[in-house]
Amino acid sequence: AQSVTQLDSHVSVSEGTPVLLRCNYSSSYSPSLFWYVQHPNKGLQLLLKYTSAATLVKGINGFEAEFKKSETSFHLTKPSAHMSDAAEYFCVVSGSPIPYSGGGADGLTFGKGTHLIIQP
Amino acid sequence: AAGVIQSPRHLIKEKRETATLKCYPIPRHDTVYWYQQGPGQDPQFLISFYEKMQSDKGSIPDRFSAQQFSDYHSELNMSSLELGDSALYFCASSSTNRGREQFFGPGTRLTVL
Repeated sequence: AQSVTQLDSHVSVSEGTPVLLRCNYSSSYSPSLFWYVQHPNKGLQLLLKYTSAATLVKGINGFEAEFKKSETSFHLTKPSAHMSDAAEYFCVVSGSPIPYSGGGADGLTFGKGTHLIIQP
Repeated sequence: AAGVIQSPRHLIKEKRETATLKCYPIPRHDTVYWYQQGPGQDPQFLISFYEKMQSDKGSIPDRFSAQQFSDYHSELNMSSLELGDSALYFCASSSTNRGREQFFGPGTRLTVL
């Protein structure tokens, strides 16, 4: 079974300062990992994904994440926070191993979420 | 680009009533997933369908059932509704040919009174 742990339920940063959202994963095989963002009363938007092609993954809106197998981590960072980044962020692991070998369409397992607050 | 469509967007029901949520996947996507997100909670996987067959099952209550039709749209049927069923229900779709990345719809907000 796979799981993810988001180490902070809330993170508060000032606008223009770096953002770090922490995530650790547990998986019995090489996982697919994702970060999703959810703005208030909105749906889930994919920020970026790791599927073994490169350990440093660049996503939308200036976000990036680094897969570190030795630390079982997949932390999300952004050099400079913007007010529009205020939202809930979910670290997610896929049940399907990589490379994808066919078979069942496994559901995603979400972390508990990190609420990002941007101070003006 | 076309996205996942869910209907209705909002639904209000009384306890013990039934509800049907619909999901229309992105064209040429063969897999549909359903998730439930309670207030202040993370989304929980309920069930998935691949090529109209149930593929994976998560924490879906026995009162709920779902199916995928020949046109690949899916419906989540919920019976004997309880107050605790009030949540945001997301549908996602993916394509086997494109690595199964899941694209989420906007969700249906179900309120049970």
